[in-house]
Amino acid sequence: AQSVAQPEDQVNVAEGNPLTVKCTYSVSGNPYLFWYVQYPNRGLQFLLKYITGDNLVKGSYGFEAEFNKSQTSFHLKKPSALVSDSALYFCAVRALDLTGGGNKLTFGTGTQLKVEL
Amino acid sequence: DGGITQSPKYLFRKEGQNVTLSCEQNLNHDAMYWYRQDPGQGLRLIYYSQIVNDFQKGDIAEGYSVSREKKESFPLTVTSAQKNPTAFYLCASSQAGDEQFFGPGTRLTVL
Repeated sequence: AQSVAQPEDQVNVAEGNPLTVKCTYSVSGNPYLFWYVQYPNRGLQFLLKYITGDNLVKGSYGFEAEFNKSQTSFHLKKPSALVSDSALYFCAVRALDLTGGGNKLTFGTGTQLKVEL
Repeated sequence: DGGITQSPKYLFRKEGQNVTLSCEQNLNHDAMYWYRQDPGQGLRLIYYSQIVNDFQKGDIAEGYSVSREKKESFPLTVTSAQKNPTAFYLCASSQAGDEQFFGPGTRLTVL
């Protein structure tokens, strides 16, 4: 079975400060990891993904995420937060090997990011 | 929200009624998915389809039904057997194992 944990329901940060949204995962074999963002009453928007290679992945809107295999983590980061980054963020995982599992993603419960002036 | 459309945006259902949520994609993706979103619970998979005329139950399929007669369409029916259907429903599609693209969602409320 695969699972994702987002330990913080809400993260507050001042505009201009760096932000981190935490994610840890559990999956059989190598992971395929994703971050999505959701604005109120909207669908999810894809931010970035990790398959293999460089542990630091760069995505949309200046976001990046760091894959750490030993800690089974995939934290989302941004060097300088904007008020417009305020939204709900979801981490998701599936096994890289599709055998027997199809393309089923498992999502975390989400972290509400609030960026204040 | 890419090339995925969901309708209606808001839907109201009376007790005992079946209702159908529409999902259409023009991305030529083989796989399509339905999720239910409740506050504090993230997204839970209802049904998914990896190819036309085939679909599988997700984690919370009870009280729901789907069909996949065309590649671009994956409608979800919420039946009267679903005891707590009030939620935000999201449809998504993907090509093989790549990232999923989501529609704008349908908010279903039981009156």
